[in-house]
Amino acid sequence: EAQLLESGGDLVQPGGSLRLSCAASGFTFSNYAMSWVRQAPGKGLEWVSGIYWNGGSVWYADSVKGRFTISRDNIKNTLYLQMNNLGAEDTAVYYCASWTGRNYFDYWGQGTLAIVSS
Amino acid sequence: EIVMTQSPATLSVSPGERATLSCRASQSVSSNLAWYQHKPGQAPRLLVHGASTRATGIPARFSGSGSGTEFTLSISDLQSEDFAVYYCQQYNNWPPITFGQGTRLEIK
Repeated sequence: EAQLLESGGDLVQPGGSLRLSCAASGFTFSNYAMSWVRQAPGKGLEWVSGIYWNGGSVWYADSVKGRFTISRDNIKNTLYLQMNNLGAEDTAVYYCASWTGRNYFDYWGQGTLAIVSS
Repeated sequence: EIVMTQSPATLSVSPGERATLSCRASQSVSSNLAWYQHKPGQAPRLLVHGASTRATGIPARFSGSGSGTEFTLSISDLQSEDFAVYYCQQYNNWPPITFGQGTRLEIK
């Protein structure tokens, strides 16, 4: 059974940084593109970033471009999201998801909560 | 950016009845549309992709239809576990991947 387990969420001050991780198991991680999707409190789902199976191509939402960096380690079966210069608008539960054919998201993690507040 | 608009925002339906949720795209997305179910504190769950193809393990009472700009998710014989928030998502033209704002399906 496919499993994704996010970690790294925390309370951080405005302007600070966080690094989220997503450990994958139960499926061939290196065969899948992967994405981060977030949900701010009381809001809907927002796609944040995606990465090709081999890390050769990456994509970002305009709201995070230049501040967030997505990466992956196919040996460790782990997806990462480095988040810099965080603002209150980045407060959200962050989900990692497998991105089948760079189309829809079939496996999802339970999410990790990042809170940006002073 | 393709804007996805879902209606209604909240839908109240009795168990055993049928719910019909709508999703409209600001421009054609062909059949490149997925539906998700999301319950509080849980991971979102893929229900439908390709506008009408049920994902693995999804009961037949979930049915997706539409193409172009107008899409529908129908849920027949509503069960207690079906009450949740539902999102549509387009993957025809990205980045960005875009989701609708969600429809909350509640018990009447």
